[in-house]
Amino acid sequence: EAEVAQSPRYKITEKSQAVAFWCDPISGHATLYWYRQILGQGPELLVQFQDESVVDDSQLPKDRFSAERLKGVDSTLKIQPAELGDSAMYLCASSLGLEETQYFGPGTRLLVL
Amino acid sequence: QKEVEQDPGPLSVPEGAIVSLNCTYSNSAFQYFMWYRQYSRKGPELLMYTYSSGNKEDGRFTAQVDKSSKYISLFIRDSQPSDSATYLCATTNAGGTSYGKLTFGQGTILTVHP
Repeated sequence: EAEVAQSPRYKITEKSQAVAFWCDPISGHATLYWYRQILGQGPELLVQFQDESVVDDSQLPKDRFSAERLKGVDSTLKIQPAELGDSAMYLCASSLGLEETQYFGPGTRLLVL
Repeated sequence: QKEVEQDPGPLSVPEGAIVSLNCTYSNSAFQYFMWYRQYSRKGPELLMYTYSSGNKEDGRFTAQVDKSSKYISLFIRDSQPSDSATYLCATTNAGGTSYGKLTFGQGTILTVHP
């Protein structure tokens, strides 16, 4: 069964450092989402791509976060500089299209010290 | 106030019990309602998907939506220890600038003990 792949699974960094997360969606899925899940809360959308274009990045803290999906396949989410409050699980999801079922990857758990 | 409110629990029940999980939402534009299950250190997986008001059953799971009261429920019959997980309700509307965006509740932690 096809799955969304994410790496790394765990990342520990010091504040002010740069971190990057990678996501490979299910093959053929045009829509890709990055969510952030703080411990004890539900996921919150950071950015949504349709192919290589950003559909919604209204909740992305653009002063420190950036996301790209250059060829409309895999995607990278970057944080620079990381802050203590960025400690969370970063989830990637993909779907065939904008209103289709979203399938989530295992997530990257980030700890900022 | 969050758009989707969910009692975080934790909820602990004996094996075989009927479990009721609930959410309320505030945005009348929400039309699609989902329940996701999330095991520890894993990503959420879709359990149930319903559109508008009504019931939907899948094995031991029943999802119920009441749009008049903006209330979403998930019932688990004959609960098993393998059902122990965090259950997240989620909603979305169709079209507009929020196309496809899921709004989640904070999740309810369920433990089913043998």
